[in-house]
Amino acid sequence: QVQLQESGPGLVSPSETLSLTCTVSGGSINNYYWSWIRQPPGKGLEWIGYIYYRVHTSYSPSLKSRVTISADTSENQFSLKLISVTPADTAFYFCARARGGGIQDHWGQGTLVTVSS
Amino acid sequence: DIQMTQSPSSLSASVGDRVTITCQASQDIGNYLNWYQQRPGKAPKLLIYDASNLETGVPSRFSGSGSGTDFTFHITNLQPEDVATYYCQQYDNVPQATFGGGTKVEIK
Repeated sequence: QVQLQESGPGLVSPSETLSLTCTVSGGSINNYYWSWIRQPPGKGLEWIGYIYYRVHTSYSPSLKSRVTISADTSENQFSLKLISVTPADTAFYFCARARGGGIQDHWGQGTLVTVSS
Repeated sequence: DIQMTQSPSSLSASVGDRVTITCQASQDIGNYLNWYQQRPGKAPKLLIYDASNLETGVPSRFSGSGSGTDFTFHITNLQPEDVATYYCQQYDNVPQATFGGGTKVEIK
């Protein structure tokens, strides 16, 4: 059974970089697409982007200028970096496996990242 | 950008009722439409993929239909554990896979 677990700082200062890692167990990240999705507290879901075949990436146009998703196959992990954060980036961040490019079939539990000084 | 309009935003129904949620896309997305359930404090869970396919292990009281721009999600025989927020999501034009605004389902 595939399992995903997000990790990273829960508090980031404005204008700094948000960095999260998703550790995958029970399956290799060499296969499938691996996504990041976020959800501001009490609000809806926003797709951030994904990485597939270890190096190919796609990002939401609204975040593309600030986002980088990368993979570490030796650790079976993939990561999210979001630069120049503001309080509007405060959200629960979920990592997920996606098949067929857009069907998120396995999710991490999510981690809350707060942007505040 | 493809916009997904989901309705209603919330509903209240009795145990055993049939619940219907609709999702409308701003342009034709074929059948690239998924439905997720998010219980309070939990991650979303895939219920229906490609408009009408039931994900493995999901109870058959959940169903979906539609294609093009208009989609429908049903819960038959509503159960207390179905209290959650339900989201549609299109992935026809990845990298901009977008979610609907969500429908909060409560028990009367």
